[in-house]
Amino acid sequence: AQRVTQPEKLLSVFKGAPVELKCNYSYSGSPELFWYVQYSRQRLQLLLRHISRESIKGFTADLNKGETSFHLKKPFAQEEDSAMYYCALKKAAGNKLTFGGGTRVLVKP
Amino acid sequence: DAGVTQSPTHLIKTRGQQVTLRCSPKSGHDTVSWYQQALGQGPQFIFQYYEEEERQRGNFPDRFSGHQFPNYSSELNVNALLLGDSALYLCASSLDREAYEQYFGPGTRLTVT
Repeated sequence: AQRVTQPEKLLSVFKGAPVELKCNYSYSGSPELFWYVQYSRQRLQLLLRHISRESIKGFTADLNKGETSFHLKKPFAQEEDSAMYYCALKKAAGNKLTFGGGTRVLVKP
Repeated sequence: DAGVTQSPTHLIKTRGQQVTLRCSPKSGHDTVSWYQQALGQGPQFIFQYYEEEERQRGNFPDRFSGHQFPNYSSELNVNALLLGDSALYLCASSLDREAYEQYFGPGTRLTVT
């Protein structure tokens, strides 16, 4: 069975500092990895997926199959990045998402 | 388009009772998935409906059942409620079974006393 682990419950950084959210997964096949974000009083929404290999709102994430990781990074955090971030895994077939426990990011001014 | 809508917003039930939650998918979407999110945890997959059939199911007991209607809207039913069923229930819709992006609703907060 697949599993997603986000070891940090809370990350607190100052504005302008780099931020990295860790995500590790276990799955024997070829997964698709995603980062979802939930801003205050908003619904859960897709931030980015590994297949697209694009930067969204300054965030990037690289799938490392050797280390089974999909860490989310941003070189210069902004106050508007404060939110809950969830790493999620999907098998190649079907679209059931397996989520990690989430990391709360707090960007201080 | 209001996106995914869910009703009710929140409700309180007593142990042993039954509850029905409702979801209307984003316009044009035909697949609906339900997730349970306990406090402080990530969403956990309950099941998914496509073409009015349950296509995938997570590790939830048979007390959890659902339905999808011809207009793609969906219901989640939970029987014999337990205290541990208290959670936020999220509905997500997508264009088809292979869609990579799921659109989430605001959730229904269920409290079981």
